[in-house]
Amino acid sequence: QSALTQPRSVSGSPGQSVTISCTGTSSDVGGSNFVSWYRQHPGKAPKLIIYGVTERPSGVPDRISGSKSGNTVSLTISGLRAEDEAEYHCCSFEDNYRVLFGGGTKVSVL
Amino acid sequence: QLQLQESGPGLVKPSETLSLTCIVSGVSVSSGPSYWGWIRQPPGKGLEWIGSVYYGGSTYFNPTLKSRVTISVDTSKNQFSLRLSSVTAADTAVYYCASRIGDCPRCLPYLDFWGQGTLVAVSS
Repeated sequence: QSALTQPRSVSGSPGQSVTISCTGTSSDVGGSNFVSWYRQHPGKAPKLIIYGVTERPSGVPDRISGSKSGNTVSLTISGLRAEDEAEYHCCSFEDNYRVLFGGGTKVSVL
Repeated sequence: QLQLQESGPGLVKPSETLSLTCIVSGVSVSSGPSYWGWIRQPPGKGLEWIGSVYYGGSTYFNPTLKSRVTISVDTSKNQFSLRLSSVTAADTAVYYCASRIGDCPRCLPYLDFWGQGTLVAVSS
């Protein structure tokens, strides 16, 4: 069981939007803005797509966005494309200087 | 451009020690504030942070693995390594090395660069 809770899967049609939630506690997600998201295609290494809850590294399109409410952070992918089909992992700094990951969410493009 | 490449045996016997090396190219591991870490992913499961080391020597570990883990930096070879002792089948996973450039320990979740990963199986 992972420390951060994510849905196992979400799906959407091309052009639609999907949102992935990631729930933790006040010791991690709720108490810190040091939260990130990774995209991982099958057989590949994860790639950082969001950091600091809402910030995008260079090269990540603005149709990918992050938000936070209480102990939950969310990743929204707008204008869904075939290339967005992948596993998405949330990640948070935790009070005692450790790093927590969610269990991962598979996004399917119908 | 910083690149990372994992190296080590793909098969380890139960109760033995798993040893992996991450070869760094494009930047010196000792050139400035940076964090070097290890993450693993059991087959079909999510990511698990193992631990990270700061270029200055400070280390940070997953408390569930801390008693079995050593992470160190070898500046002479520009690489860093992972040792995980007393392995069991539960340690079978793809092991990734990853890094973060900068001086921000709370930024440990922001891993900019990753190796391609290496599968390590624990079996007799």
